[in-house]
Amino acid sequence: DTAVSQTPKYLVTQMGNDKSIKCEQNLGHDTMYWYKQDSKKFLKIMFSYNNKELIINETVPNRFSPKSPDKAHLNLHINSLELGDSAVYFCASSQSTRGYPSPLHFGNGTRLTVT
Amino acid sequence: DQQVKQNSPSLSVQEGRISILNCDYTNSMFDYFLWYKKYPAEGPTFLISISSIKDKNEDGRFTVFLNKSAKHLSLHIVPSQPGDSAVYFCAASFYYGGSQGNLIFGKGTKLSVKP
Repeated sequence: DTAVSQTPKYLVTQMGNDKSIKCEQNLGHDTMYWYKQDSKKFLKIMFSYNNKELIINETVPNRFSPKSPDKAHLNLHINSLELGDSAVYFCASSQSTRGYPSPLHFGNGTRLTVT
Repeated sequence: DQQVKQNSPSLSVQEGRISILNCDYTNSMFDYFLWYKKYPAEGPTFLISISSIKDKNEDGRFTVFLNKSAKHLSLHIVPSQPGDSAVYFCAASFYYGGSQGNLIFGKGTKLSVKP
């Protein structure tokens, strides 16, 4: 009964490959996110989807393409992987409200290692 | 440019004592702040939040203090327990009136509570 689940937990791949990370939430939230935690430990937002519509797209290379087939899923596809893409990627969800942001619920992360 | 700074990468405290984790921010437009706790190999979990109309918010052993003039907030844990050992992230955001906002995270402080 995990609230936000993402797969795989670990992903090791070579430069130039294409890979996907899947995320699903069973909280009934209408907004989902992808965050990246780099080697310097910063958690930075990459994308945000509300009701399957893209609402935040930070400065992320267009090799990264999020796909939201429905409100409960937000997948991340990465083309032509580079060494610098190695990081931990966290999926999160929240329920949109008027006013202050509601707390994010995070998945356990996917550690991507590009060799 | 770090808008949210946690200048202490680590903190060690004796069980039963008070833990004080600090966070500074540079953007005076931030008006909502959150603390997240993260255990190894897990995603961050929401702990406590505070809006800028308050200077203190308390939830059990956890209290967050906000000093807007100093652009500083702190998280107090009293009494500290070994299970509190984790990385604590400070995050900031804006009031946005109807659409999802973006959380800006600090780098985290690793708290170790010794028995």
